[in-house]
Amino acid sequence: NAGVTQTPKFQVLKTGQSMTLQCAQDMNHEYMSWYRQDPGMGLRLIHYSVGAGITDQGEVPNGYNVSRSTTEDFPLRLLSAAPSQTSVYFCASSYRGQGYEQYFGPGTRLTVT
Amino acid sequence: DQQVKQNSPSLSVQEGRISILNCDYTNSMFDYFLWYKKYPAEGPTFLISISSIKDKNEDGRFTVFLNKSAKHLSLHIVPSQPGDSAVYFCAASETSYDKVIFGPGTSLSVIP
Repeated sequence: NAGVTQTPKFQVLKTGQSMTLQCAQDMNHEYMSWYRQDPGMGLRLIHYSVGAGITDQGEVPNGYNVSRSTTEDFPLRLLSAAPSQTSVYFCASSYRGQGYEQYFGPGTRLTVT
Repeated sequence: DQQVKQNSPSLSVQEGRISILNCDYTNSMFDYFLWYKKYPAEGPTFLISISSIKDKNEDGRFTVFLNKSAKHLSLHIVPSQPGDSAVYFCAASETSYDKVIFGPGTSLSVIP
């Protein structure tokens, strides 16, 4: 079991560029989420999904898109990167819901210049 | 406005003593509460949880206490070990299926 995997580990973007952060899990979890971690802010929910084909917005969804075509994958797209999106991004999955134990990936450190 | 607050950004404790990490919340609809631990350059890992029907949950050295009337919970680690040095996040949700809101975290240092 690889658990939750994220690629890339590090990324530097220029303002206005777009990119996709990849997330995959091999635990057959229905629930998947994307968070960003900023100093003093804790983890903030960007988007989440309760199953393939179903996504919803979290606390800070602006500037990000998601889709969930399979149970395993939940990519996060930055449409036009801005310096305010410099952060560490974590993907997580859980079996029954976010109120239960979530398994987190190792994170992607993104810098937008 | 933060719905989940951890007012101590950092805490230092001697090895073998008790560590007490506190968390306050403002949303009275929260019913599920979780603690996660995070080491540098790693993703958070689940530690312990409690639902509002209980006021205490214990797992080995870790105990979480919930005081719903005060909208307060705390995590006790006894005895503290150097490997417990990490950032601890408190989190809450209205239902087990609802989105989770995290606090800003408390950095715990356990001094040998």
